[in-house]
Amino acid sequence: AQSVTQPDIHITVSEGASLELRCNYSYGATPYLFWYVQSPGQGLQLLLKYFSGDTLVQGIKGFEAEFKRSQSSFNLRKPSVHWSDAAEYFCAGGNAGNMLTFGGGTRLMVKP
Amino acid sequence: GAVVSQHPSWVICKSGTSVKIECRSLDFQATTMFWYRQFPKQSLMLMATSNEGSKATYEQGVEKDKFLINHASLTLSTLTVTSAHPEDSSFYICSARQDMNTEAFFGQGTRLTVV
Repeated sequence: AQSVTQPDIHITVSEGASLELRCNYSYGATPYLFWYVQSPGQGLQLLLKYFSGDTLVQGIKGFEAEFKRSQSSFNLRKPSVHWSDAAEYFCAGGNAGNMLTFGGGTRLMVKP
Repeated sequence: GAVVSQHPSWVICKSGTSVKIECRSLDFQATTMFWYRQFPKQSLMLMATSNEGSKATYEQGVEKDKFLINHASLTLSTLTVTSAHPEDSSFYICSARQDMNTEAFFGQGTRLTVV
């Protein structure tokens, strides 16, 4: 069965520190992969996506993610976290044209 | 990116009443729309997939008679929660895509509270 897993439910980092949010997928073929951010009570904002090609993907707000087929991973990174980055982050995967399967989400808290 | 608008953003209704949520693609024609449900502090779960002009395909465990989905035009899909109960209180999010080869864009979500 297709699945997306985010192993970390909560992560706390200090402002200015680097960040890595983990995402693993299980699909028969390489899926389309996405990272979304959700602020409390809000909808989803797309940070970045991977369809094919370069495995290092740049997104908005200084985020990047690297697709690693050998590890079935698509981890999200940011070199220096800002207090405004505190939110819920969702990794999602899907095959072409199909609905997305979401990971359980990782809540990021940023310490001043 | 493309814009998907949901209305209303939040709604409170009494038990036993029905609530309609609209999902509109503002600057593209959406052949397919997806409806998700998100319980507090949980992830998004797909409820159903609707293709314009066709009946929606519901995920296992989702009551199609309770969650009525209509996708009558290429820019509008509606989700009607019929005979709502407090356990239906949730955050409902739609997404829309133009075709099989394009990504889906999300609406801002609708928070439903049934009292």
